[in-house]
Amino acid sequence: DAGVTQSPTHLIKTRGQQVTLRCSPKSGHDTVSWYQQALGQGPQFIFQYYEEEERQRGNFPDRFSGHQFPNYSSELNVNALLLGDSALYLCASAIGLGEQYFGPGTRLTVT
Amino acid sequence: SQQGEEDPQALSIQEGENATMNCSYKTSINNLQWYRQNSGRGLVHLILIRSNEREKHSGRLRVTLDTSKKSSSLLITASRAADTASYFCATANFGNEKLTFGTGTRLTIIP
Repeated sequence: DAGVTQSPTHLIKTRGQQVTLRCSPKSGHDTVSWYQQALGQGPQFIFQYYEEEERQRGNFPDRFSGHQFPNYSSELNVNALLLGDSALYLCASAIGLGEQYFGPGTRLTVT
Repeated sequence: SQQGEEDPQALSIQEGENATMNCSYKTSINNLQWYRQNSGRGLVHLILIRSNEREKHSGRLRVTLDTSKKSSSLLITASRAADTASYFCATANFGNEKLTFGTGTRLTIIP
């Protein structure tokens, strides 16, 4: 049984560009959450998707947006990238409000 | 923003010794969870303790929770080199719709 998968593993972008990160949840899971983890810090909650709707959002600007597809996979989009967006982006999936299982993350570097 | 802090920020011990790390948080919680992260990759769920529980065990792990002091501790007994990682506590207010992480403790086990 595959766990949570994320793509790509690493990504390098230039300031001002846009990026899309992808997440496939664990089989049977219907909820996807996204977290941003800056170097040396704990993860910070970006938003959570359930039944293709954004259920809750953390303190992130509108440049951060997401989507959940009917197969429960999800995308995180970041527009107008800033240097400060460089981080590890983690996706977590769950069944409803159950335990969250994390993927390996996507390392985004903005230059 | 981070919910709280782990203490200490870094800890180095000899293999076989016990490791204790602490977590403080700021608001009322439904549950508190501990995660392990190796080399800045995905998070592995270790243990969950609910707000009405005071102590929980899982293998070599022992977690305590003091809601009056808004603090928790994680004890790893008989440490192994493979326990070298960063450890984070995370709190949830209602179910698991949003996890708020601490700043983490970096644990190094010296063989």
